[in-house]
Amino acid sequence: DAGITQSPRYKITETGRQVTLMCHQTWSHSYMFWYRQDLGHGLRLIYYSAAADITDKGEVPDGYVVSRSKTENFPLTLESATRSQTSVYFCASRRTGSQETQYFGPGTRLLVL
Amino acid sequence: GIQVEQSPPDLILQEGANSTLRCNFSDSVNNLQWFHQNPWGQLINLFYIPSGTKQNGRLSATTVATERYSLLYISSSQTTDSGVYFCAGGGQGAQKLVFGQGTRLTINP
Repeated sequence: DAGITQSPRYKITETGRQVTLMCHQTWSHSYMFWYRQDLGHGLRLIYYSAAADITDKGEVPDGYVVSRSKTENFPLTLESATRSQTSVYFCASRRTGSQETQYFGPGTRLLVL
Repeated sequence: GIQVEQSPPDLILQEGANSTLRCNFSDSVNNLQWFHQNPWGQLINLFYIPSGTKQNGRLSATTVATERYSLLYISSSQTTDSGVYFCAGGGQGAQKLVFGQGTRLTINP
């Protein structure tokens, strides 16, 4: 039971490059989320998705693009990476319903030079 | 929207001590969860506890929904309990959780 996985786990890129972070879950959870974690800011929601082809902005969506063509995948793309996007990115998922446990992936550490 | 406040922000204890972490909410929540982020960065769900009390080994949690707070108790702390503890909540029908800033717990041997 793989659960929720993220790839790559570590990524170094340069300013201006496009980067895609992958998230895959094997539970068929309806909801998926992308967070970034920075010192002093805790966990901030970037985007979330309630189902395939349904996405919505979170607290800090600028500079990011998401898609969800399949229930199990929720990629996050940085169209033109900036140094301020250096962070640890976490994907999460949960079943439908507002009273369901949320599970996190292992995270991706991204460094933008 | 809902605001979540955790206290204390930092806690340093010796192995074997007990600790209480608190989470206050600005509004009613019907989905309240506690997470532990270990020193390697992994986020683990500890409890789903919108109300009442739950226990799991040395950890227990109590939520008093009417007073908009939740407590996480850790008894007989071990060094492996170190890390950051987050609480998060969502209101009625909420699609997403709002996270607190976390409590950083350090257990010294």
